Amino acid sequence: DTGVSQDPRHKITKRGQNVTFRCDPISEHNRLYWYRQTLGQGPEFLTYFQNEAQLEKSRLLSDRFSAERPKGSFSTLEIQRTEQGDSAMYLCASSPQGSDTDTQYFGPGTRLTVL
Amino acid sequence: EDQVTQSPEALRLQEGESSSLNCSYTVSGLRGLFWYRQDPGKGPEFLFTLYSAGEEKEKERLKATLTKKESFLHITAPKPEDSATYLCAVHENSGYSTLTFGKGTMLLVSP
Repeated sequence: DTGVSQDPRHKITKRGQNVTFRCDPISEHNRLYWYRQTLGQGPEFLTYFQNEAQLEKSRLLSDRFSAERPKGSFSTLEIQRTEQGDSAMYLCASSPQGSDTDTQYFGPGTRLTVL
Repeated sequence: EDQVTQSPEALRLQEGESSSLNCSYTVSGLRGLFWYRQDPGKGPEFLFTLYSAGEEKEKERLKATLTKKESFLHITAPKPEDSATYLCAVHENSGYSTLTFGKGTMLLVSP
C-alpha cells in the first residue's frame, strides 16, 4: 500500500499527558499537512511542511502543539499537557510539488480521546 | 464569515433517486476546488479537483461542476454504497497549499 499512513489509529490519554502521532506520507511527496477534525465539522488546517521546512502554522496551533519533519520524510505531531478540548481526529495529508498537483491525499487519521 | 458553505447538511435518498449537493465559496482568488468522500472513522478520500468555471469531471455515478461562486456534486442513480459524508474544500491563491473545508453533506442512500 503506497498511501499515507498514520500511527497510532487510536489514542486514549488522560488530561495533562503528552501524546505524539506519526505520519508517513506517500513516497516522494514533498508536501505534508496536518489537519484536525471534530465531529460534524470539516478538517481544519494546523500546519504545513515543504520538505523539512515548516512553512505555515494555523492560529489554532497553540504553544502546546509542535510538529516536526526532520528529514523531509515522515512527520510527528506532539501535543503537550493535553486538554479535553484536544479530543479530535488528527489527519495527515501529502501532495507532490508541481503546477497541477495541489491535490492532497489523506491518511486514515489518528483518533485522540482525552479523558 | 464562512468561506465554504455546503448544503444541505444531510440528505436522504432512495436508491436510484438522483440529486445534487451544493458547495458555495467566497474567496478572493480560486486556485482549485476539491471534492472528497469521507466514511465514518476514516480519512477523506479524494474524488475531484476543479480549477476553472465551466469545468466538469465525472467518476462513475458522480459528476462535479464549477461556476464562479459554487460547485455542484451530482449523484446519478445512487446506490447504498454511496452513503458517506461529502466534503468540499477550496485552495486560494494565497501562496500556500492549505485547504479550507466546508462542514460536509451527510448522504444516506436507502435500498
